[in-house]
Amino acid sequence: QVQLVQSGAEVKKPGASVNVSCKASGYSFTSYNMHWVRQAPGQGLEWMGIINPSPGSTTYGQKFQGRVTMTRDTSTSTFYMELSSLRSEDTAVYYCARVGDCSGGSCYSNFDYWGQGTLVTVSS
Amino acid sequence: QSALTQPASVSGSPGQSITISCTGTSSDIGGYNYVSWYQQHPGKAPKLIIYDVNNRPSGVSNRFSGSKSGNTASLTISGLQAEDEADYYCGSYKTRVTGVFGGGTKLTVL
Repeated sequence: QVQLVQSGAEVKKPGASVNVSCKASGYSFTSYNMHWVRQAPGQGLEWMGIINPSPGSTTYGQKFQGRVTMTRDTSTSTFYMELSSLRSEDTAVYYCARVGDCSGGSCYSNFDYWGQGTLVTVSS
Repeated sequence: QSALTQPASVSGSPGQSITISCTGTSSDIGGYNYVSWYQQHPGKAPKLIIYDVNNRPSGVSNRFSGSKSGNTASLTISGLQAEDEADYYCGSYKTRVTGVFGGGTKLTVL
């Protein structure tokens, strides 16, 4: 069965960077795009970006451009999301979310499997 | 401020039907049939319940249905059950290759 297992909670100081991992299993790693979505405490979902595992191309949300980097390691079936220059407003649960079979715009909407989430706390 | 607008809360009694709206623009909901809905229980990850406006993934109850008219999408839950109490989010593709979500709606089953 499809599983997305994320790394554990992190506490970071303002200005630092955080790297969250998402290990995929139960499906063909290079066949499905992966998105990153975050949720601030008590708030809604916010789309951050997408990575196509083959060939590793990315598209980032305008709000995060210049601060986020999404990568993947095909040898370990793991995705990574690094967010830099952290500020208190980045405190949130970060999710990886897979898109199933899709084409065009549906690749940005239909998230069929989600990781368990990683809480990132930014505090001095 | 979320790109898609949802009511903050809705409520209904067991057995009743409720509808949650999700309003966007011609650049997202109105322009494409790529609207999805997610159910999120406290402390859990979201779960896909509707995709491509009105399709249910395998295993999702047929009490959940979706529709769209112009720039507004809707999620209807019929035969409300206690376990339906959760937060619900809409999502859509948006022009210029992005994804967007609504702010979420808290459903209370009275």
